Amino acid sequence: DQQVKQNSPSLSVQEGRISILNCDYTNSMFDYFLWYKKYPAEGPTFLISISSIKDKNEDGRFTVFLNKSAKHLSLHIVPSQPGDSAVYFCAASHGSSNTGKLIFGQGTTLQVKP
Amino acid sequence: EAGVTQSPTHLIKTRGQQATLRCSPISGHTSVYWYQQALGLGLQFLLWYDEGEERNRGNFPPRFSGRQFPNYSSELNVNALELEDSALYLCASSSLDRAGGRGYTFGSGTRLTVV
Repeated sequence: DQQVKQNSPSLSVQEGRISILNCDYTNSMFDYFLWYKKYPAEGPTFLISISSIKDKNEDGRFTVFLNKSAKHLSLHIVPSQPGDSAVYFCAASHGSSNTGKLIFGQGTTLQVKP
Repeated sequence: EAGVTQSPTHLIKTRGQQATLRCSPISGHTSVYWYQQALGLGLQFLLWYDEGEERNRGNFPPRFSGRQFPNYSSELNVNALELEDSALYLCASSSLDRAGGRGYTFGSGTRLTVV
């Protein structure tokens, strides 16, 4: 049972354009969502997060949008840069239960072309 | 500040053998998490240790086990290795008040290959 899904395995955008990465979840108990970026041969690094009490969080070029009714979140990168090329994972947690567990999606490989 | 360190970087084992993977958390972090990333899949939660205790366990068979030492470092042991255990094993650490994904820092992982 895949509770967090990233249905697009890959995405290619031109430098300077917007990159939109999507993520869907099924568990309505999730209350905290995160995006991680992963380069080859490195561990995932935290990018941005959002609590379920918000619908938007912005950090520089990165904005995460949360649509709770649709159980959908998206990561917008504007403008995209070649250095953004990486695998992006969305993840969710049920913080109030404090299981220590993050549920990850399968990842989306973003390629930003110069 | 040193990050989360994992050793070895690569490990090749034969089916049926045992593998031991090690993780040193960031100084001051008491929680250690283990995840498995098999090819084409997302990260799957394996284990969570805090203050030397196993706090939670993912949906993996008992041959996946581990422990946390008094210095908060951790070991993941995989017994009776199977071919499908081939994966990248990632360790993350956090302070307990930053658990639940808030404030995780991941290591670079151990690539386990079972032949």
